[in-house]
Amino acid sequence: AQSVAQPEDQVNVAEGNPLTVKCTYSVSGNPYLFWYVQYPNRGLQFLLKYITGDNLVKGSYGFEAEFNKSQTSFHLKKPSALVSDSALYFCAVRSGTALIFGKGTTLSVSS
Amino acid sequence: DAGITQSPRHKVTETGTPVTLRCHQTENHRYMYWYRQDPGHGLRLIHYSYGVKDTDKGEVSDGYSVSRSKTEDFLLTLESATSSQTSVYFCAISQGLADYNEQFFGPGTRLTVL
Repeated sequence: AQSVAQPEDQVNVAEGNPLTVKCTYSVSGNPYLFWYVQYPNRGLQFLLKYITGDNLVKGSYGFEAEFNKSQTSFHLKKPSALVSDSALYFCAVRSGTALIFGKGTTLSVSS
Repeated sequence: DAGITQSPRHKVTETGTPVTLRCHQTENHRYMYWYRQDPGHGLRLIHYSYGVKDTDKGEVSDGYSVSRSKTEDFLLTLESATSSQTSVYFCAISQGLADYNEQFFGPGTRLTVL
């Protein structure tokens, strides 16, 4: 069965510093991986996806993610964090009809 | 939120009462989904639709039914609400069913069952 794991419930980073939100996956076949962000009292917003090709995927709001097949990881990154990046981040993998989501990681960026 | 509205946005109801949540889209996307979000579980698929009158079950479908009589509307019904169905419910849409198609989410409905 397809699954994703987000090993950190919370990540704290200072504004201006680089940030990483971790995700590992377990799939049979080719992985189709996604990152979403959820701001308080809002729905999920799509950030980026990996389908095939370049291992570094660029997405919205300056975020990028690095696909690593040997480590079965798809970590979300940003070179310089903003306070406004504080939110709940979800990694997901496509499994048939549905997206299978991780439990989410709360990112807190301090000024 | 990608042309998706959900109603109501908040609802408090009592155990045993029926509840219907509505999802409306203006994108003319074929595929629609209902998820529930609970702390520590991420989002889990309840039901989905792949066309008018075409629906199927997801991971956590027990206690829920759905209907889709028009492309733009997808209804989720709790026939007899229970406290375990207290959750935030999200509707999502996608253009296609291919693995590379991302899903776009509505703003959510917060349901409390007392």
